[in-house]
Amino acid sequence: KQEVTQIPAALSVPEGENLVLNCSFTDSAIYNLQWFRQDPGKGLTSLLLIQSSQREQTSGRLNASLDKSSGRSTLYIAASQPGDSATYLCAVPSNSGGSNYKLTFGKGTLLTVNP
Amino acid sequence: AAGVIQSPRHLIKEKRETATLKCYPIPRHDTVYWYQQGPGQDPQFLISFYEKMQSDKGSIPDRFSAQQFSDYHSELNMSSLELGDSALYFCASSPLREDSTDTQYFGPGTRLTVL
Repeated sequence: KQEVTQIPAALSVPEGENLVLNCSFTDSAIYNLQWFRQDPGKGLTSLLLIQSSQREQTSGRLNASLDKSSGRSTLYIAASQPGDSATYLCAVPSNSGGSNYKLTFGKGTLLTVNP
Repeated sequence: AAGVIQSPRHLIKEKRETATLKCYPIPRHDTVYWYQQGPGQDPQFLISFYEKMQSDKGSIPDRFSAQQFSDYHSELNMSSLELGDSALYFCASSPLREDSTDTQYFGPGTRLTVL
């Protein structure tokens, strides 16, 4: 059974700092890995999707890397801003024999960027 | 671009009542997933459908049922509601690809409160 772990559970940084969020997964036979952002009580916003054949993916100040063999991914946020404050979740698809791939989520990292 | 639509956005019910949540996937997406996110928890997979057939099942209580209709929209029916059913319910859709999984696009969620 796939398990996803995110470290740290919470992170507080001053504005402008670069930071790294970590995600690890137990079953390395994944097709891709997805990072989401969730504001309190709100929906999930997809940030980046890395296919298993890719090493990293970039979008603006965000850079996600994937090391499938070691079961790890990192989300790098450059020059953090107070608006980046949110919970960041990583998720990997897993298949239990059907034709679809349910997502297994980590418990998330609660990021607070202080002005 | 069209997104996943969920209705209602908020729902308040009493214990032992029933509730129906609706999901309208992105046009031409034939796969629908349902997830439940309890307070302070990560989203947990409930059930998925492909081409109107149930394709996978997760931790969905027997009191819950779901189906996908001919227009690909899906409904999650919840009966004998319990306090513990209070959560954010997400629907996600994706196109089915034969050679790899694709990103799941999440709706804004329905917040169910059981009193």
